[in-house]
Amino acid sequence: AQKITQTQPGMFVQEKEAVTLDCTYDTSDQSYGLFWYKQPSSGEMIFLIYQGSYDEQNATEGRYSLNFQKARKSANLVISASQLGDSAMYFCAMREHGSGNTGKLIFGQGTTLQVKP
Amino acid sequence: DVKVTQSSRYLVKRTGEKVFLECVQDMDHENMFWYRQDPGLGLRLIYFSYDVKMKEKGDIPEGYSVSREKKERFSLILESASTNQTSMYLCASSSTGGSTDTQYFGPGTRLTVL
Repeated sequence: AQKITQTQPGMFVQEKEAVTLDCTYDTSDQSYGLFWYKQPSSGEMIFLIYQGSYDEQNATEGRYSLNFQKARKSANLVISASQLGDSAMYFCAMREHGSGNTGKLIFGQGTTLQVKP
Repeated sequence: DVKVTQSSRYLVKRTGEKVFLECVQDMDHENMFWYRQDPGLGLRLIYFSYDVKMKEKGDIPEGYSVSREKKERFSLILESASTNQTSMYLCASSSTGGSTDTQYFGPGTRLTVL
C-alpha cells in the first residue's frame, strides 16, 4: 500500500541556517508525483514544490529544494537561509496510485518547524 | 491568482445539528476535495468530486455527505454533528490533466461540536 512517512514531529533551526525535513514514501508505481506543503498557524495549506518521479533534476523553488533519492524512496525538503516566517507545519504528499486525473493525494503526518531568532 | 474560499473560518455547533461547510473555487477546476485534519494524523480525505454531481468516498466518509451542483462549489454536510467531528476541515481543488495535479487549498474551517 502507498504510504508517506515523516519521522520528525518537531524540528528547531536557527535563523539563517539551512534545515532538512525528512520524507520517505512507499509505492510500487513507476510514475508518481511528490509534493510539499506548508501550513502556517493560520491554517491554510500552501503549495511549495513538486517532484515528478521521472524528473532527473531535483526540484527547486527559491529557497526550497527537494532532495529526491529515488532508490531510497526519499523526498526530503531543504529550506536554505531559514527565516522566522518559515515557522510552520510542513506536509509531504504523494499522488495516489490509480487516481487517474483526479489528483488524489496521500499525506504524511507533518513536521512542525520552529525557527529561532 | 488561484483562489479557494471556505464559508467560515470558525464554527461552533451543538451535537445533533446539521452542519453545512461550503467551498468555492474560481479556477475552473474539475476536481474538488474535502479533508479533515487532526493532530498526529495528517490530512485524511473525506470525499472528493471529479465533476459536477459526481462524488466518491474518501478514506473516512462515515457521518458526512457532499453536494456538488455547480462546478465551482463543493459542500460538505454533517447530517447530525457529533463531538468526534470536532476538527479542522480543509477544502482543495485541482485541475484534470495538469502536469502536476497540484491541489490548492482554502483557509480551512475549525469546527467545534459541543
